Amino acid sequence: AQKITQTQPGMFVQEKEAVTLDCTYDTSDQSYGLFWYKQPSSGEMIFLIYQGSYDEQNATEGRYSLNFQKARKSANLVISASQLGDSAMYFCAIFDPGNTGKLIFGQGTTLQVKP
Amino acid sequence: DTGVSQDPRHKITKRGQNVTFRCDPISEHNRLYWYRQTLGQGPEFLTYFQNEAQLEKSRLLSDRFSAERPKGSFSTLEIQRTEQGDSAMYLCASSWGQGLSYEQYFGPGTRLTVT
Repeated sequence: AQKITQTQPGMFVQEKEAVTLDCTYDTSDQSYGLFWYKQPSSGEMIFLIYQGSYDEQNATEGRYSLNFQKARKSANLVISASQLGDSAMYFCAIFDPGNTGKLIFGQGTTLQVKP
Repeated sequence: DTGVSQDPRHKITKRGQNVTFRCDPISEHNRLYWYRQTLGQGPEFLTYFQNEAQLEKSRLLSDRFSAERPKGSFSTLEIQRTEQGDSAMYLCASSWGQGLSYEQYFGPGTRLTVT
């Protein structure tokens, strides 16, 4: 079974600085996908970035990049130039390739950006 | 607005009552998911529909829970004889399911409080 571990319950970062949110995963599948979602206090889950297990390059989406280290089974999210609006809960998730596409989420990391 | 919508956004009910939630996915998406999220935790998968067929149900989905997706369009999630442990955010997501990305778009959620 797939599993996601996020070991940082809470993180602080100064505005305009970069921050790394950790995510490790466990899976026995060769094909899988890793996602990061942002959940602000309003509750909606916002897709940030996706990395496929066969993608050779690390995914990037604007200020978000995914540091994918397959051998270590880690998929850390890097947010560059943090903004106050980045304060939210961040979830790492693994895509279950068992033909359903369900996501298995970690416990989340709360990020607070300080002015 | 062509995003995923959910209704109601908030529901307060007394223990033992039945409740029903509705989810309208993005119109061209054939896959629909229900997740449950308790405070401070990541979302947990409940059930999955491909078009109108319910193809997977989590063990979290007890006999008191039932979900439908008639005609492969909107979906409903009903909880019978609610218990205080049912208090949570219920999230609906949809996807097109092309390739391996399976990016899921989430609705704003329905927050259920059972008193």
